[in-house]
Amino acid sequence: QKEVEQNSGPLSVPEGAIASLNCTYSDRGSQSFFWYRQYSGKSPELIMFIYSNGDKEDGRFTAQLNKASQYVSLLIRDSQPSDSATYLCAVNIASYDKVIFGPGTSLSVIP
Amino acid sequence: EPEVTQTPSHQVTQMGQEVILRCVPISNHLYFYWYRQILGQKVEFLVSFYNNEISEKSEIFDDQFSVERPDGSNFTLKIRSTKLEDSAMYFCASSEFGTGVANEQFFGPGTRLTVL
Repeated sequence: QKEVEQNSGPLSVPEGAIASLNCTYSDRGSQSFFWYRQYSGKSPELIMFIYSNGDKEDGRFTAQLNKASQYVSLLIRDSQPSDSATYLCAVNIASYDKVIFGPGTSLSVIP
Repeated sequence: EPEVTQTPSHQVTQMGQEVILRCVPISNHLYFYWYRQILGQKVEFLVSFYNNEISEKSEIFDDQFSVERPDGSNFTLKIRSTKLEDSAMYFCASSEFGTGVANEQFFGPGTRLTVL
């Protein structure tokens, strides 16, 4: 059974701080890793994806991937109250057209 | 900007009834997906669909479920005989190239299914 694990939170950070979200996955063959943001009652919205080891930056967001450790993270710099949401880690299952999601981490940015 | 649309936004049905959830994927996308999310739980993969065939399906996607692309624009999920535990938000997604390396899925706004 392929799994994606995340700390459920809630994670609370003050406005302007760095929020760090972590994810581990079980399928060693996974190639693509996605971070989605989901507001309550809404659909997942892609923040960024990563498929190479190392860091990928997009504005205030940085995704980090370590395939050897089967670990992917998302850093949010200068956190804003509008970043308060649930962050979903999703992983493509190798050789299948299938993505599985972690349970999500709830982030609360305190003004 | 192109987007995935879903209808209806909310469907209420009686246990045992059939429901059809509809999705219009982004027009140049070739790969289509259904997910469900029970309230307070994680997003769960149901099925992927390409070239008029199911590519993958999960254990959840049993004989009560079916998918169809009846024309060039719609993608539907049918639940033949709904159960109380089918109550969830159902998301449709589409992708241009599939979920391999670096291919984004675009999600629709979802249909909330309530089975009474």
